[in-house]
Amino acid sequence: NAGVTQTPKFQVLKTGQSMTLQCAQDMNHNSMYWYRQDPGMGLRLIYYSASEGTTDKGEVPNGYNVSRLNKREFSLRLESAAPSQTSVYFCASSDSSGLINQPQHFGDGTRLSIL
Amino acid sequence: GNSVTQMEGPVTLSEEAFLTINCTYTATGYPSLFWYVQYPGEGLQLLLKATKADDKGSNKGFEATYRKETTSFHLEKGSVQVSDSAVYFCALSDWENLFFGTGTRLTVIP
Repeated sequence: NAGVTQTPKFQVLKTGQSMTLQCAQDMNHNSMYWYRQDPGMGLRLIYYSASEGTTDKGEVPNGYNVSRLNKREFSLRLESAAPSQTSVYFCASSDSSGLINQPQHFGDGTRLSIL
Repeated sequence: GNSVTQMEGPVTLSEEAFLTINCTYTATGYPSLFWYVQYPGEGLQLLLKATKADDKGSNKGFEATYRKETTSFHLEKGSVQVSDSAVYFCALSDWENLFFGTGTRLTVIP
């Protein structure tokens, strides 16, 4: 009964370092999403994947890359971290029966700080 | 463009008080509307939704009615509990994108 699992939960990076945030869902959902949550700004979509093998840019894709490795997994990579990428990152999934971009299940988040 | 505006918090209520969190939207066409809830330390959970005008979404004692004439989707609960303390997000989907409000923090005190 795991739902959406994100790792790690916390991470501190130095400017310029790279890292990958991992996300996996066990609900056989087609669609997966990456959001960032910043104070006073709600959630903003970084990238999404409507199905295995496809990815699309969201509202704030710059500085990020994603990989939909298989139906279960959707990773988010920061190639060269910047302080502006300090945020809480959420992965989400949905069965999106006809409604693109309606995430139903969210992970618990990854709190990322970049110094 | 499409957007959602929700009342700023924080909101503090006593247990069993009536709750209203206002949400208004701007959209072209016929969007779907949602409320999400985020409990401390957790991700968001879909609380309720409405896909067309005059629809009422409801779940866990919460309700919201899709009002096209006032472009609103206010969240209400008749009697809040301490366990309802969380951040509530209004959201709009135009079938291509999902737009979130900035969130309203609710604290319910015994």
